[in-house]
Amino acid sequence: GNSVTQMEGPVTLSEEAFLTINCTYTATGYPSLFWYVQYPGEGLQLLLKATKADDKGSNKGFEATYRKETTSFHLEKGSVQVSDSAVYFCALSDPLGPLTFGKGTLLTVNP
Amino acid sequence: DADVTQTPRNRITKTGKRIMLECSQTKGHDRMYWYRQDPGLGLRLIYYSFDVKDINKGEISDGYSVSRQAQAKFSLSLESAIPNQTALYFCATRDRGSETQYFGPGTRLLVL
Repeated sequence: GNSVTQMEGPVTLSEEAFLTINCTYTATGYPSLFWYVQYPGEGLQLLLKATKADDKGSNKGFEATYRKETTSFHLEKGSVQVSDSAVYFCALSDPLGPLTFGKGTLLTVNP
Repeated sequence: DADVTQTPRNRITKTGKRIMLECSQTKGHDRMYWYRQDPGLGLRLIYYSFDVKDINKGEISDGYSVSRQAQAKFSLSLESAIPNQTALYFCATRDRGSETQYFGPGTRLLVL
């Protein structure tokens, strides 16, 4: 079956630091890959996605590249802000639709 | 107004009680999902529905049931609540032509 493994947190960074959250997956076929973000007290929001190998998803300064050869979709941001503090979920979707999520990574950015 | 709404937002109940969590959407999407979030476990799929006449079990359906009353409404029921069903519950929707899911704000459930 499908599975997603992401870097365990919590991750604590200072403002303007570089962020990487690792995500690897196991899937049959060719899934689409997603990063969702959950701000405190809120539901999940789509941050970015990639639908095929070598695609790069980007949004709000975050980027992730779909690497089929390493089955990875690592999230990166060059300079984090306090407002980026949230829980980040890596996920994959097969053609049937349900998402398979990683366990989430809590990011705290200190001023 | 929010596109995906969930009621109630918070609920405290006792072991053995029957409760219903409701989800409504104005996005016109045909696919709807119920997930459960537990600390350290991410989100796990309980049930999903592709249309009013189509209901499918997810990874952790035991102890839950659902009803798709209309395209816009998808309810989750706990027939006899137990403490390990204490969690944050999310409803999500998806359009047939897209892979992106849109989430409601969640219902925080505490079973005593």
